[in-house]
Amino acid sequence: SYELTQPPSVSVSPGQSASITCSGDKLGNKYACWYQQKSGQSPVLVIYQDTKRPSGIPERFSGSNSGNTATLTISGTQAMDEADYYCQAWDSNNVVFGGGTKLTVL
Amino acid sequence: EVQLVESGGGLVQPGGSLRLSCAASGFSVNSNYMTWVRQAPGKGLEWVSIIDKGGSTYYAESVKGRFSISRDNSKNTLFLQMNDLRGDDTAVYHCARGSRAGNTGLWFDPWGQGTLVTVSS
Repeated sequence: SYELTQPPSVSVSPGQSASITCSGDKLGNKYACWYQQKSGQSPVLVIYQDTKRPSGIPERFSGSNSGNTATLTISGTQAMDEADYYCQAWDSNNVVFGGGTKLTVL
Repeated sequence: EVQLVESGGGLVQPGGSLRLSCAASGFSVNSNYMTWVRQAPGKGLEWVSIIDKGGSTYYAESVKGRFSISRDNSKNTLFLQMNDLRGDDTAVYHCARGSRAGNTGLWFDPWGQGTLVTVSS
């Protein structure tokens, strides 16, 4: 079965850029998306189709996907961006989530 | 406003059954992909099941044969029938609306607030 791998945690200083990776076999041949989940809340879509931002998502959130790795980048990270982030792909009618990355804004 | 509201969670004994509901507003469940995703306490997101626009259904291996996804177009509601429940089914269950791009893109927005299912004796 298809698997997506994320680092368990990433730390960033306020105002700096944070990058969260998501690795999977030939992931670049699929569309990846990303969700943000703050403590006690439901997931929120922040990136879809590799690079697109839904309405209402700040421009500091961006995405890329090539080869075996999709990347979520948060530019000018703010304290409010501290959350768990999950990547997700679709493979053979199965929805696959990465294990999640806890972003800490120090 | 597009909104999803889950209900039906609760405490159930191992081997028991439960039926979750997801009431949609602002769009039609039968015109969209709809999915169930669960999250065990302190753990990550785990996909459970999906129903596509044509009514075809797909399941994670962990629930295949025990869970059944369906929808009632007249009530604009998604369901998840869960049978033979086990302790590792304990989780918050979210429903979400899916959007598709080609054969390789599927994403979910919005998500409901979730309903807690606890399987314990």
